[in-house]
Amino acid sequence: GQNIDQPTEMTATEGAIVQINCTYQTSGFNGLFWYQQHAGEAPTFLSYNVLDGLEEKGRFSSFLSRSKGYSYLLLKELQMKDSASYLCAPLDSNYQLIWGAGTKLIIKP
Amino acid sequence: GAVVSQHPSWVICKSGTSVKIECRSLDFQATTMFWYRQFPKQSLMLMATSNEGSKATYEQGVEKDKFLINHASLTLSTLTVTSAHPEDSSFYICSANKGQENSPLHFGNGTRLTVT
Repeated sequence: GQNIDQPTEMTATEGAIVQINCTYQTSGFNGLFWYQQHAGEAPTFLSYNVLDGLEEKGRFSSFLSRSKGYSYLLLKELQMKDSASYLCAPLDSNYQLIWGAGTKLIIKP
Repeated sequence: GAVVSQHPSWVICKSGTSVKIECRSLDFQATTMFWYRQFPKQSLMLMATSNEGSKATYEQGVEKDKFLINHASLTLSTLTVTSAHPEDSSFYICSANKGQENSPLHFGNGTRLTVT
């Protein structure tokens, strides 16, 4: 079957760094997306990885290891507005996004 | 700026009535749009794939006669919740991607439906 595994909730301090891990099992693989979703709002696109390695985009970076079925999202210089859920979503062989429940990130002052 | 527009943002209706939700791609043509539903603290659940000019493809367990999807043009898909009941209260979100299948999904702002 298809499966996403992310921590349910994480807490971090403003100004710090946090890494949100994601392991996945899918029928085929065509890349992996990370989305941010604030409470009561729709998800917004953060990053897309299809090749192994690290993609850096400002304060956010995303890493992928296809052989391990593993990705992480790294958030630096955390701000209060980063409090949100972060969704790891791989694309399967049919280009269907597989959604997990996401990781709720709580930022404390 | 937003590339997918969804309307209305929220709606309250009485049991037994129907509600129509619109999803528009603003600066690109979308032959395919996706409709999701999300209950509180749960993951996004794909309801159906809306295909321009043809019938929508529904996910298992989603009643096609209850959730009517019309994709009449390359920029507009509509979801109509017919004979709504309180258990249909949820957050409905549409999305589309530009061009290639592995391009990111852009989401509308969602519609919060409350059925009383």
